[in-house]
Amino acid sequence: DTAVSQTPKYLVTQMGNDKSIKCEQNLGHDTMYWYKQDSKKFLKIMFSYNNKELIINETVPNRFSPKSPDKAHLNLHINSLELGDSAVYFCASSQTGREYEQYFGPGTRLTVT
Amino acid sequence: DQQVKQNSPSLSVQEGRISILNCDYTNSMFDYFLWYKKYPAEGPTFLISISSIKDKNEDGRFTVFLNKSAKHLSLHIVPSQPGDSAVYFCAAHPSGGSYIPTFGRGTSLIVHP
Repeated sequence: DTAVSQTPKYLVTQMGNDKSIKCEQNLGHDTMYWYKQDSKKFLKIMFSYNNKELIINETVPNRFSPKSPDKAHLNLHINSLELGDSAVYFCASSQTGREYEQYFGPGTRLTVT
Repeated sequence: DQQVKQNSPSLSVQEGRISILNCDYTNSMFDYFLWYKKYPAEGPTFLISISSIKDKNEDGRFTVFLNKSAKHLSLHIVPSQPGDSAVYFCAAHPSGGSYIPTFGRGTSLIVHP
């Protein structure tokens, strides 16, 4: 069973479109994260939710809106996609008290044309 | 401004030998460090961590060494196995309980049979 899953795995879309990426974890973790891995391969945290509450928002354009319907899910909606949004987006989760050890999903490769 | 640097983009090692992956950091506020391993088309997987109060942590074939005065850590894999071939990311957390990690760019390790 996949611990942290993301859908879709690949997403190709045009500039200006709106798209969503879904993430689910079945580890019973309280905290979930979104990361972006850019073309230079750096992984950077975007958001973190703990028990459905936003706790980290790292200077991400407000075109990006995370939504956590419950603590097992954290979705990422992106409005008005731009070329620079092309990247691999990783979802992750962690247990309360062990936040340093994060479990990552397989990633979603977003290509904006 | 790269606060966590992995200056070797790749490393090639013979099976059975030692692999040494290096990581340098510039922020003296970092006090918790992790190594993640990533296979293609998968998310990073937590491998081993070390707190700044220690200078060494060992887990099976993997040992992480921390030299705080040099702001340097290294991951030793002994003996290296072909299944260790992956990209290894170093990550650092600042003190104060922040769960916002800063990642290095990664080092691609290839272990030849």
